[in-house]
Amino acid sequence: GAGVSQSPSNKVTEKGKDVELRCDPISGHTALYWYRQRLGQGLEFLIYFQGNSAPDKSGLPSDRFSAERTGESVSTLTIQRTQQEDSAVYLCASSAYTDTQYFGPGTRLTVL
Amino acid sequence: GDSVTQMEGPVTLSEEAFLTINCTYTATGYPSLFWYVQYPGEGLQLLLKATKADDKGSNKGFEATYRKETTSFHLEKGSVQVSDSAVYFCALSPVNFGNEKLTFGTGTRLTIIP
Repeated sequence: GAGVSQSPSNKVTEKGKDVELRCDPISGHTALYWYRQRLGQGLEFLIYFQGNSAPDKSGLPSDRFSAERTGESVSTLTIQRTQQEDSAVYLCASSAYTDTQYFGPGTRLTVL
Repeated sequence: GDSVTQMEGPVTLSEEAFLTINCTYTATGYPSLFWYVQYPGEGLQLLLKATKADDKGSNKGFEATYRKETTSFHLEKGSVQVSDSAVYFCALSPVNFGNEKLTFGTGTRLTIIP
């Protein structure tokens, strides 16, 4: 079946602008995760949604970052007033009832 | 908190060489352990996993054994190929079933020379 999809694949924006990144998880997956991968570094957890429970936002680096999820489907990660240090690849993953997470191809964000 | 430490890269080997990429972890309880691989231009893929002590995960000729006594999960392959060139990430999940965020190491870039 279809894997995790993300859009856009690339986003270039100017400092101070807001951006929205979208994730479509695998159908039926109850859990959805956002991670950030800065150049040359490992993945950094941002936020986690599990069904109808309150999301785990413990990884969000500042209040400029927020995310929403509609039921058990699409999620949107929003970054307000982007800064150059926000430049990274943003990865989304989803999982079902096991601990295996399936990753999307990522959105490469460049803040000029 | 939980953490994963893996071998600094880059690692360059000749084809058919033996590969080891070290990974150690710090976590409470009994985490699940994973190796993910990121091939050039592609997304992150699960390579193998182990969910309890002494379990061995294996896939595509790669193996890793969950060693609780040494808190390690080293990745090995007996004979590498050019197609194994990629970035490898060790990761842990703090519970051994269900859904939890992953903690990743910094990644090890592997290049195999023909």
